[in-house]
Amino acid sequence: EVQLVQSGAEVKKPGESLKISCKGSGYSFSNYWIGWVRQMPGEGLEWMGIIYPGNSETRYSPSVQGQVIISADKSISTAYLQWSSLKASDTAMYYCARKVGASYPPDFWGQGSPVTVSS
Amino acid sequence: QSALTQPPSASGSPGQSVTISCTGTSSDVGGYNYVSWYQQHPGKAPKLMIYEVNKRPSGVPDRFSGSKSGNTASLTVSGLQAEDEADYYCSSYAGRNSVFGTGTKVTVL
Repeated sequence: EVQLVQSGAEVKKPGESLKISCKGSGYSFSNYWIGWVRQMPGEGLEWMGIIYPGNSETRYSPSVQGQVIISADKSISTAYLQWSSLKASDTAMYYCARKVGASYPPDFWGQGSPVTVSS
Repeated sequence: QSALTQPPSASGSPGQSVTISCTGTSSDVGGYNYVSWYQQHPGKAPKLMIYEVNKRPSGVPDRFSGSKSGNTASLTVSGLQAEDEADYYCSSYAGRNSVFGTGTKVTVL
């Protein structure tokens, strides 16, 4: 059974760093893209970027380029989304999702990782 | 890369049909047959309902159908049921990245 299990809820202060994770199981992690999607409170979905764990090719959405880092460790079937200096505007639910190809829609989603940034 | 445009809301009575539009540009919706639609219930992760404009994943009822004309894609939900009340998002491939629509809240009256 394909599963994407994300790390739990985080509460951070502005300026702190954070790395959240998404662990895949039940499939060949290296051979599928993993995407990250942001959903701010009461708002819509927003693509942040995708990574191909097989060769670490990464594509960022222009709106988040330079703001976050997407990475993956195929040896432990885990993808990551990290911030070096959080802002209050990073408060959101973050979903990871599996994609067969870069142009294809996600077929499996993680349960979401809520992140709250508040002083 | 701007979000695709969807109407904020749509509604229909049980058994009726509702159609949601998704308008983009020739760089996304109009340029690729990689338009997908997602259903999201409150507090839940999105669920893929339509991919490649008009294909349904296994398990999605045939009440859900998709189409595209030019830079506008559409999702039609026929025979509305109470459980169809949710937020719906379109998404399109746009070259190196993908873009979501602004989202439509469907209410079953």
